[in-house]
Amino acid sequence: QSVLTQPPSVSAAPGQKVTISCSGSSSNIGNNYVSWYQQLPGTAPKLLIYENNKRPSGIPDRFSGSKSGTSATLGITGLQTGDEADYYCGTWDSSLSAGLFGGGTNLTVL
Amino acid sequence: EVQLLESGGGLVQPGGSLRLSCAVSGFTFRSYAMSWVRQAPGKGLEWVSAISGSGGSTYYADSVKGRFTISRDNSKNTLYLQMNSLRDEDTAVYYCAKDLTRVGAGPIDYWGQGTLVTVSS
Repeated sequence: QSVLTQPPSVSAAPGQKVTISCSGSSSNIGNNYVSWYQQLPGTAPKLLIYENNKRPSGIPDRFSGSKSGTSATLGITGLQTGDEADYYCGTWDSSLSAGLFGGGTNLTVL
Repeated sequence: EVQLLESGGGLVQPGGSLRLSCAVSGFTFRSYAMSWVRQAPGKGLEWVSAISGSGGSTYYADSVKGRFTISRDNSKNTLYLQMNSLRDEDTAVYYCAKDLTRVGAGPIDYWGQGTLVTVSS
């Protein structure tokens, strides 16, 4: 059971928009930055969003992030079949002095 | 180009030990914190440990505290994870990862390809 809660799966049609939520507490999301990672099948994870809403170089603006209180959201617009992957939120927990990942959300583009 | 190359994985019996290494290139190693993240077969990501750029601060998940030790040799551009008293539940792919900052609280901007550790009798 992860400290950060994500829905196990989401799905949407090509071209549509999807959002993935990540819920935590004041000791983690509430007081620390959130990052998001994409893991395509059989590959290492890749950073999509850091510091709640910043995109690394090379990440298209179809991917966006936001944070409010103890929850964060990843948004993906203009869905493509190549976006089918597992998505993980991540943050630091100040009480545990440890990193945390959500349980992961599997995205299916129907 | 940033490169992270893990080695040292393999099959070990419960209660045994293993040391993972991660050789890095393409960035100023001492300027960045480094982490180990693992993924059990068919499961999600689990943060394991992190170390600051200087090596002066280390952090561990409760699940490995007291059994695993993270360290780094900035003269050799190499990160290590010493794993002792291994358990079946430590079976996973272990990723070496570079943090975006010096301190060790993430986020991770580069990942290695991973090395598989299997704990089984």
